[in-house]
Amino acid sequence: NAGVTQTPKFQVLKTGQSMTLQCAQDMNHEYMSWYRQDPGMGLRLIHYSVGAGITDQGEVPNGYNVSRSTTEDFPLRLLSAAPSQTSVYFCASRPRAGPNEQFFGPGTRLTVL
Amino acid sequence: GQQVMQIPQYQHVQEGEDFTTYCNSSTTLSNIQWYKQRPGGHPVFLIQLVKSGEVKKQKRLTFQFGEAKKNSSLHITATQTTDVGTYFCATASGGNNRLAFGKGNQVVVIP
Repeated sequence: NAGVTQTPKFQVLKTGQSMTLQCAQDMNHEYMSWYRQDPGMGLRLIHYSVGAGITDQGEVPNGYNVSRSTTEDFPLRLLSAAPSQTSVYFCASRPRAGPNEQFFGPGTRLTVL
Repeated sequence: GQQVMQIPQYQHVQEGEDFTTYCNSSTTLSNIQWYKQRPGGHPVFLIQLVKSGEVKKQKRLTFQFGEAKKNSSLHITATQTTDVGTYFCATASGGNNRLAFGKGNQVVVIP
């Protein structure tokens, strides 16, 4: 199993550009989440999904959209990038049953100029 | 949502010594999770505690959940250079769908 994969690893955008951060998992996990990590801020939940077709907002959802058309994929879209969205983005997944252990992807480092 | 505060934010630890990192909440928590993130890496799950007063050990790591379920601690003995990283506590809410992280305790190990 590849676990949770994220692409790209690094990305530089200009203000106002749009892009999609990709996340995929091959563990058949129902739950998937997106977090952003900023220095000294820990990880903050952006959006999450409890299954295909179901998404909900987390702590910091503004400026981001998500969809979950399949169990495997959970892309994060930035419609109009802003410098405040410069961050490291982590995708995570976990199975519905079990000890709530979240499996994290390697992250995408995004810089918005 | 529920929030957890971690202290200290930074620690410098001599190799071979012990250290403790703490996680506190003003409200009762249903659970607490601990993660470790190596420099440049991603968070890795260490453990989950759910019972009042629970104590769990993993080799040199001891995890505790307070009797009132408002605080937790991670104690590491005989620190090694491999212990370097940031340790996060987190609590799940909203039917365990939402995970709220503390800001982390960055640990530097001095050889």
